[in-house]
Parts: sequence; structure tokens; C-alpha cells
Amino acid sequence: SAVISQKPSRDICQRGTSLTIQCQVDSQVTMMFWYRQQPGQSLTLIATANQGSEATYESGFVIDKFPISRPNLTFSTLTVSNMSPEDSSIYLCSVTSGPTYNEQFFGPGTRLTVL
Amino acid sequence: QKEVEQNSGPLSVPEGAIASLNCTYSDRGSQSFFWYRQYSGKSPELIMFIYSNGDKEDGRFTAQLNKASQYVSLLIRDSQPSDSATYLCAVKVGFQKLVFGTGTRLLVSP
Repeated sequence: SAVISQKPSRDICQRGTSLTIQCQVDSQVTMMFWYRQQPGQSLTLIATANQGSEATYESGFVIDKFPISRPNLTFSTLTVSNMSPEDSSIYLCSVTSGPTYNEQFFGPGTRLTVL
Repeated sequence: QKEVEQNSGPLSVPEGAIASLNCTYSDRGSQSFFWYRQYSGKSPELIMFIYSNGDKEDGRFTAQLNKASQYVSLLIRDSQPSDSATYLCAVKVGFQKLVFGTGTRLLVSP
């Protein structure tokens, strides 16, 4: 499976600021995704990062709050904008890889705390 | 109605026993099912996936799928304390979207 890295691994931010999270993959992948895992909860898909076009957002998530870039097949960024304490979560990128390109593998995550 | 349901646990089993983790899903059109293991403070790790009705075995892990009952399970044989983690069931909906259950916490006691 692909090796996925994320930066930063954790951050503490002030209310009203923005944070950009980077996701780097060691090989070209077709599909990249961004998930959120709120404290004590399961994973929720934020959006699919599309190479060369606008991301596809899930219900409840909007581009103004979570702008996403994907300039190539190995890299994507997620920005959490105008943060509030409710945005405190773990943010994870994932990619499809493996022999059938059906399996999703996750990066190590970015733990965000908003004060 | 939640799309993917799991008992939150904790499920406690002694070392060496079989742990049985269960998951039900609501979308009858779902074709792909995944089990992830998540240790505290870590990201989910893919353990197994299953597409066809029946059993699929990989080492100590067996995934079972019953599409008619909309039921997926994961059996862990010879459970070890290192298996203590939260196990997430995920169902593929549509092209590539994964919908996750809330996870079952497994505790394996020595």
C-alpha cells in the first residue's frame, strides 16, 4: 500500500484563524479523501479531492469552510478556515490503493485543538 | 436510521478466545465491506475487506458477509492483548465513499 504522510501531526490554534493540513503520498494515486474524526466518534467523509478540479464535498461540508487543493496525483491540502472550538478533531487523508484500487488507506492524521 | 451500526462495547474476551464483532448496514446496494482497527491515538488500519457472501480468512481474522441479512462480522481467533483496539466497520456507498460505523471497542485480557 501507499505510504502517506501528513503535516502537521498536531496543532493548537486560536479561534478565528485558519490551518492548512498537507497530505503527501509516495506514489501516484487516483483517489484522495479527507475525513474528520471528532473526539470519541467515528470517521466522517469531508470531501473527495479531485486532481485538477474542484473537490466534491459531502453534505454538511462547504468549500468556504474547508477549501481543498490537489495540484497533482501525490499531494493534497485541506484548510480549516475561521476555526471554532467545534472544529477540534483529528483530520485524516486517505487514498485508494492496493491490487484492486478498492481499498482505502489512511494517513497518520492531524490532531487539531482550537481554543 | 444510521447507515452502519455497531455495538460500541466494550467487548471483553480472555486471551486465546475468539472475539466476534458485528456490523449491520442499511444500503442494500452496498457491495464492498471493510474492517479497520484503530488503536488509541492512531489512525485506522485496514485489516480485511470482503465483497462476496460467505467467509474470507486471513490469518487469525475471518470476515463473514451475509448480504440478505445486511450483516458483516469479524472473528478474531486466538485473541491477544495486542488486539485490544477499536474495530471500525465501513461500507462502500456509491463510487468510492466509505461510511463508517461508530466502532466496537475490544478488550483482550491476559
